Amino acid sequence: AQTVTQSQPEMSVQEAETVTLSCTYDTSENNYYLFWYKQPPSRQMILVIRQEAYKQQNATENRFSVNFQKAAKSFSLKISDSQLGDTAMYFCAFMNYGGSQGNLIFGKGTKLSVKP
Amino acid sequence: NAGVTQTPKFQVLKTGQSMTLQCAQDMNHNSMYWYRQDPGMGLRLIYYSASEGTTDKGEVPNGYNVSRLNKREFSLRLESAAPSQTSVYFCASRESGSSYNEQFFGPGTRLTVL
Repeated sequence: AQTVTQSQPEMSVQEAETVTLSCTYDTSENNYYLFWYKQPPSRQMILVIRQEAYKQQNATENRFSVNFQKAAKSFSLKISDSQLGDTAMYFCAFMNYGGSQGNLIFGKGTKLSVKP
Repeated sequence: NAGVTQTPKFQVLKTGQSMTLQCAQDMNHNSMYWYRQDPGMGLRLIYYSASEGTTDKGEVPNGYNVSRLNKREFSLRLESAAPSQTSVYFCASRESGSSYNEQFFGPGTRLTVL
């Protein structure tokens, strides 16, 4: 069974600085997807970024980028130029490639606070 | 497009009461999911439906039943609520298939069982 581990329950960063959130996972599969979701106080789950395991290039979305290390089973999220609106819970998630199930397996989350 | 909608947004039950959480999506997706989120935990899969007419258990199915009423709607029923079922419940949907398709989430239902 796949597992996702986020070892940082809480983090804080000053506005405009850079922060990195860690995630490791365990799987015997070779093809899969990895995601970072943001959950602000509104509770809405918002997809931040995704990475396909077969792609060596790290995904980027504006101020958000990942460091995907497949051999180490590591998938960290870097937030550059942090903004107050980035304050939220961040969840790392895993999904198997293909098949009809397609459900997400989540880590326990990291609570990020951006301070002015 | 409303996306994924859930009703109610909040609910308080007494132990032993029953209720049904409703979920509907207007994106014509085949697959639908129910997750629960507890404090200090990520979301965990309760049940899913890969297509209309099929349902399967996820990681934490005990105490729940589901119905895939049609392609749009996927309901979650608590027959006899217990305090351990106090949680936030999320419904999600995605287009199934071998390639990547984003999973879209509803706004959640906060359920308290006293």
